[in-house]
Amino acid sequence: GAGVSQSPRYKVAKRGQDVALRCDPISGHVSLFWYQQALGQGPEFLTYFQNEAQLDKSGLPSDRFFAERPEGSVSTLKIQRTQQEDSAVYLCASRRHGGGAGNEQFFGPGTRLTVL
Amino acid sequence: GESVGLHLPTLSVQEGDNSIINCAYSNSASDYFIWYKQESGKGPQFIIDIRSNMDKRQGQRVTVLLNKTVKHLSLQIAATQPGDSAVYFCAENINQAGTALIFGKGTTLSVSS
Repeated sequence: GAGVSQSPRYKVAKRGQDVALRCDPISGHVSLFWYQQALGQGPEFLTYFQNEAQLDKSGLPSDRFFAERPEGSVSTLKIQRTQQEDSAVYLCASRRHGGGAGNEQFFGPGTRLTVL
Repeated sequence: GESVGLHLPTLSVQEGDNSIINCAYSNSASDYFIWYKQESGKGPQFIIDIRSNMDKRQGQRVTVLLNKTVKHLSLQIAATQPGDSAVYFCAENINQAGTALIFGKGTTLSVSS
C-alpha cells in the first residue's frame, strides 16, 4: 500500500522567500507529525496533529513556521521569510491512532530545503 | 571491553559479522523505544521496537536490548549485510497521547564485503 508521501522532494529558496511543504499521510491515519532534521543529526519534533486539530506546536522554532491540516488528512508546513538556518530536511510521519505509545510512526522521504 | 552506553558515531564491520549499536536515552519516563534505519535521501524506516516492561525483543536478524537501570538501549544485527549500511537512530517515546519521538544520536554503520 501507499506510504507517506511528501512534496516537493527538494526545494531551493532564496533567503526571504516563503515556502510550502506538503505531506500526504497514510490514508486513515489519525496522527501526523512534522520533524526537522539538520545535516548529520536526528530528527527533531516540530508539531503534531490529531485529525485536523494541532495539539502541539511546541517544537516550531519561530513564528515564521506555520502548519495546518484543515481536513484531517493532507498537511502543509509553511515557512515564511526563510533564513539560511532553516535549511534542513523536513520529515512528515503519520500514525494510525491518536493516543498512546506503542504504535509505529511511518515516515515520508522528507523534503530537503536549501535556503541560499 | 566495551563500556555500557558508549555511543559510537560510526561503526565499520565486515559482511557476516554481528553488529552492536548502542544508544543512551534521556528520559526516565520513556516507556516505548524504537530503532530506525535511515538510508541516504530517505526517511527513517522502522526496524524494531520494545516496551519498557521488556528487556529483550527479537526480530528477523535483529535484537533490541533495554537496560532501564542505566537508560541504555542496544541494537544487535546478526550476519550483517552490505544492505544494512545506513544511519541507525534510537528513539524514545512516552505513553501519552500525541507525544513525539525523541531521537538519539545516530550511528553510521558501514558494511564492507
